[in-house]
Amino acid sequence: QVQLVQSGAEVKKPGASVKVSCKVSGYTLVELSVHWVRQAPGKGLEWMGGFDAEDAETVYAQRLQGRVTMTEDTSTDIAYIELSSLRSEDTAVYYCATAFAVEPAAVPLYWGQGTLVTVSS
Amino acid sequence: QSVLTQPPSASGTPGQRVTISCSGGSSNIGTNTVNWYQQLPGTAPKLLIYSSNQRPSGVPDRFSGSKSGTSASLAISGLQSEDEADYYCAAWDDSLHGPVFGGGTKLTFL
Repeated sequence: QVQLVQSGAEVKKPGASVKVSCKVSGYTLVELSVHWVRQAPGKGLEWMGGFDAEDAETVYAQRLQGRVTMTEDTSTDIAYIELSSLRSEDTAVYYCATAFAVEPAAVPLYWGQGTLVTVSS
Repeated sequence: QSVLTQPPSASGTPGQRVTISCSGGSSNIGTNTVNWYQQLPGTAPKLLIYSSNQRPSGVPDRFSGSKSGTSASLAISGLQSEDEADYYCAAWDDSLHGPVFGGGTKLTFL
């Protein structure tokens, strides 16, 4: 069973950056495709980006291009997402979610507990 | 605006059967399988159905999924109070090279 444990809540000022981590256990990062999904207060789920197993590359949502970076440390099985130039609209719960890398076009199966990022002056 | 279209709300009475629809296009549901998630207030989404009609272990057989063409459905039979939640559909999109989600359906009791 895949388990995902995320870092704690963050409060940031507009214009700052935030980095959220996601520790994987039960499987290794190499075996998984990690995606990041966020949910603004009272809103639905928004895919931010993730690993496309078919093309073997990380893909970012177009509206976040240039502000988001996803990285992985396979030695510790921790995935990261960094979002820069934060705005109030970035206030949301950020989730890491995974599928199995052997399955192309696979939608996430397992989810982390979420990390609340609040952007406020 | 979400790529997949779901009704914003659904309702039912205990014991009733409820169906939630999810409409997409040829680049997502038309080509790939669909997952369904249940989200209780203040918690992360939980996988309910994967590969359009498969239940993970631990999910009651009251929950079932189906797909036809560019649409999918989630059916909940024998509605119980703990089923009050938000439900989301998702599918891989070949054009976006990532998963797309429905806007979510809030299920409430009448």
